[in-house]
Amino acid sequence: NAGVTQTPKFRILKIGQSMTLQCTQDMNHNYMYWYRQDPGMGLKLIYYSVGAGITDKGEVPNGYNVSRSTTEDFPLRLELAAPSQTSVYFCAIRRSGSYEQYFGPGTRLTVT
Amino acid sequence: GESVGLHLPTLSVQEGDNSIINCAYSNSASDYFIWYKQESGKGPQFIIDIRSNMDKRQGQRVTVLLNKTVKHLSLQIAATQPGDSAVYFCAPGEKLTFGTGTRLTIIP
Repeated sequence: NAGVTQTPKFRILKIGQSMTLQCTQDMNHNYMYWYRQDPGMGLKLIYYSVGAGITDKGEVPNGYNVSRSTTEDFPLRLELAAPSQTSVYFCAIRRSGSYEQYFGPGTRLTVT
Repeated sequence: GESVGLHLPTLSVQEGDNSIINCAYSNSASDYFIWYKQESGKGPQFIIDIRSNMDKRQGQRVTVLLNKTVKHLSLQIAATQPGDSAVYFCAPGEKLTFGTGTRLTIIP
């Protein structure tokens, strides 16, 4: 039982490139979230999903897209990377009936 | 909108002493609060939660106090250990925003 898995751990992108950050869970939780955390700052919600086929915007969705075709996977897509997207990205899950979120180890992204 | 903030961005405590981390909130409708701990290079980890109909909740070495009158939360960590060094966030349970957090440093 790995919980929440994120890949890659690190990535360097050039401005304008695209990439997908992967998030996979094996706990069968309905809720999944993507956050970004800039250096020395708190977490900001990018997108979230309450179940397969359903996604919704969070606080800072611009420049990102998500999909949720299965319960297990919740990939985050960056289409045109910008330096402002340099951050650490965390995926989290939550089961229905609980407010506790379980976080993945994060992906550190640098856009230059 | 929701505002969840910490009174102090950093806190240094001698190993073995108790520490108190504070958190203020603005939305009176919040009925559930969670404290998370984030160690360097890792994702946040759940510590303890409290419902708005409670004033106090205790866990292992941690106690959370809720003062609804002044919209204030605190996390008390007893007999701090080096492993307690981390950033601590409070978060309203039904919303998905986190304040900047307080960095707790345990001095050996």
